[in-house]
Amino acid sequence: GAVVSQHPSWVICKSGTSVKIECRSLDFQATTMFWYRQFPKQSLMLMATSNEGSKATYEQGVEKDKFLINHASLTLSTLTVTSAHPEDSSFYICSASLAGVGEQYFGPGTRLTVT
Amino acid sequence: GQQVMQIPQCQHVQEGEDFTTYCNSSTTLSNIQWYKQRPGGHPVFLIQLVKSGEVKKQKRLTFQFGEAKKNSSLHITATQTTDVGTYFCAGLGNSGGGNYKLTFGKGTLLTVNP
Repeated sequence: GAVVSQHPSWVICKSGTSVKIECRSLDFQATTMFWYRQFPKQSLMLMATSNEGSKATYEQGVEKDKFLINHASLTLSTLTVTSAHPEDSSFYICSASLAGVGEQYFGPGTRLTVT
Repeated sequence: GQQVMQIPQCQHVQEGEDFTTYCNSSTTLSNIQWYKQRPGGHPVFLIQLVKSGEVKKQKRLTFQFGEAKKNSSLHITATQTTDVGTYFCAGLGNSGGGNYKLTFGKGTLLTVNP
C-alpha cells in the first residue's frame, strides 16, 4: 500500500527557533499533500493543502508566514514552523493522496515541543 | 462552510458489545471516508463510500452512506480489544469554484473493556 514517512518523529526546540518537518511519499507520487495539526484527544485540523510546484493553499486562520510549506517534488513536502512559540507545540501530521481528494495516506506524525 | 459533526465523542463498551458512531454533514457530500487512529498512532484509511444509500462491510464493520448523502454511520459488531481507537469520518464536499475539500469530524473514541 501507499506509504508516507515523516521526519523527524519528534523534536524539542527553543522558543524563537525554526523547525522543518519533512513529509515523503515513499512508493507513489503525490501531486497533493495535506498538513494537519492535532491537539491531544482532538480531531485533525487541516492547516494547508500543498500542491507540487505551486503555492500552498492555507486554511482560514493559519498564518502562511509562520507555517511555510514547500512542495518541491512529487514525493516531498516540507512544513517549516518559523519563530516557534510554546503555543505551537502540537502533533503535526501530513497526508498524501493518490488522486487529489481521494483517500489519504497519513504519515506517522511529528510531535513538536517548544520550550 | 461545510461542517461535519460526529457523535458520540467517546464510548466505552464491554468486549462483545456492539458500537456505532454517526456522522452528519451540513452539506451534501461527494463521498465520505472513514479512518481509524489507534492511541499514539496516525489515522489509517478504512473505506470510502460514494453512492447514495451505499452499504459496505469489512468483517465486523458495517459502513452506511445516507440516501441524501449527508450522513453516515460505522457499526462494529461484537467489539474486540483490537477495535480500540478513535474513528473519524471525513466528508468530501464542494467548497466552491470547482474545488473540493475533505472535512474531518471530531472523531469518536472507542474503548473496550476486556
